[in-house]
Amino acid sequence: QVELQESGPGVVKPSETLSLTCTVSGASVSTATLYWTWIRQPPGKALEWIGYIYYTGTTAYNPSLESRVTISADRSQNQFSLNLRSVTAADTAIYYCASLNSQWLALEFWGQGALVTVSS
Amino acid sequence: QSVLTQPPSVSGAPGQRVTISCTGSSSNIGAGYDVHWYQQSPGTAPKLLIYANRNRPSGVPDRFSASKSGTSAFLAITGLQAEDEADYYCQSYDTSLSGSGVFGGGTKVTVL
Repeated sequence: QVELQESGPGVVKPSETLSLTCTVSGASVSTATLYWTWIRQPPGKALEWIGYIYYTGTTAYNPSLESRVTISADRSQNQFSLNLRSVTAADTAIYYCASLNSQWLALEFWGQGALVTVSS
Repeated sequence: QSVLTQPPSVSGAPGQRVTISCTGSSSNIGAGYDVHWYQQSPGTAPKLLIYANRNRPSGVPDRFSASKSGTSAFLAITGLQAEDEADYYCQSYDTSLSGSGVFGGGTKVTVL
């Protein structure tokens, strides 16, 4: 059983950078069997794919966010992180980290989510 | 507007059967990508309900079943129960988005 926990500021000012960390237990971010993924959900709206990082360091992002997003991993802390630059109110959302099973490419385990509000 | 199209809502009485469609295109479901389904109860994170078109993870009741055909996928809930009231999302991948994951807009299931 993989457990994930998001952490980071709950409020970010417009034009600044949103930074979140996902702490993983029950698996290693260095495993080849999982991709480490970020998804977001604006209040009352649908889920939106942000991107993932693989143990090799390979990343893949939603083209609509690619110019502003960086996902990285810290193997020593067994964590992976999301940076979203130049945020606006449209980036207000619950941000989820999740593990993507490399065999089925399904989001098998999810964190509880972290609400980030973009506001001055 | 989501890449995968779902009906905004479906409803049924306890014990009834409801189905949710997920319509895509030749660049996602029709391209051969598997479809996965997630259940999101109010105020909670999504939970994997069905993976790879028709497979249930351990612990998911067999009241939930799914299929895929052409550019669409379908989730069925039989013997509807009050606890099934939730939002349901389909998810796949899209070649026109560099293989990025894509979600449906979600379907709210209401138990009457």
